[in-house]
Amino acid sequence: NAGVMQNPRHLVRRRGQEARLRCSPMKGHSHVYWYRQLPEEGLKFMVYLQKENIIDESGMPKERFSAEFPKEGPSILRIQQVVRGDSAAYFCASSPPWDRRGFGTEAFFGQGTRLTVV
Amino acid sequence: ILNVEQSPQSLHVQEGDSTNFTCSFPSSNFYALHWYRWETAKSPEALFVMTLNGDEKKKGRISATLNTKEGYSYLYIKGSQPEDSATYLCAVNDYKLSFGAGTTVTVRA
Repeated sequence: NAGVMQNPRHLVRRRGQEARLRCSPMKGHSHVYWYRQLPEEGLKFMVYLQKENIIDESGMPKERFSAEFPKEGPSILRIQQVVRGDSAAYFCASSPPWDRRGFGTEAFFGQGTRLTVV
Repeated sequence: ILNVEQSPQSLHVQEGDSTNFTCSFPSSNFYALHWYRWETAKSPEALFVMTLNGDEKKKGRISATLNTKEGYSYLYIKGSQPEDSATYLCAVNDYKLSFGAGTTVTVRA
């Protein structure tokens, strides 16, 4: 059972370009989370998705950022018109659905995508 | 997004010594607390998931306790080894994981 797969591992974009980060969850996991780690900071929640549905995007910047998790294929975090401040490591995690019976289940992380905006 | 606090931010431990550090969280709407170990250039690795007040979990020399009434969890490392050097993250689950900033542990040989 492959773990959470993120690609690319490293991504360099010029200011104004678009960045697309991909996350394939573990087999059997229907929920995906995206987190951002800015330099010298911890993990900050961005968005929580299940297939074809955004559950919580309260941590997502209002502009330029979007996320999707289609019925088929990986989850995509898209950053339009990147700026230097978007340079960070972006981590995705996946889990089975959490409910009151299943909160003891773990979320598993991918290796992250390190975005550098030049 | 819940406010999860970890202290201290960093600590240095002599090899062979034991140490512990804290994760504090709002005690209302608590569902579960997760501890992760995060080594540089790797992904966070799940250590424990705890759901019940008074839970204690152990994995090798690392253990954790949970107090949901007062809103804290302790992580203990017994007989620290250099390979224990990492950032330890706690996260509270209220259907999404809200992370603390982590405690970075450096074990000196």
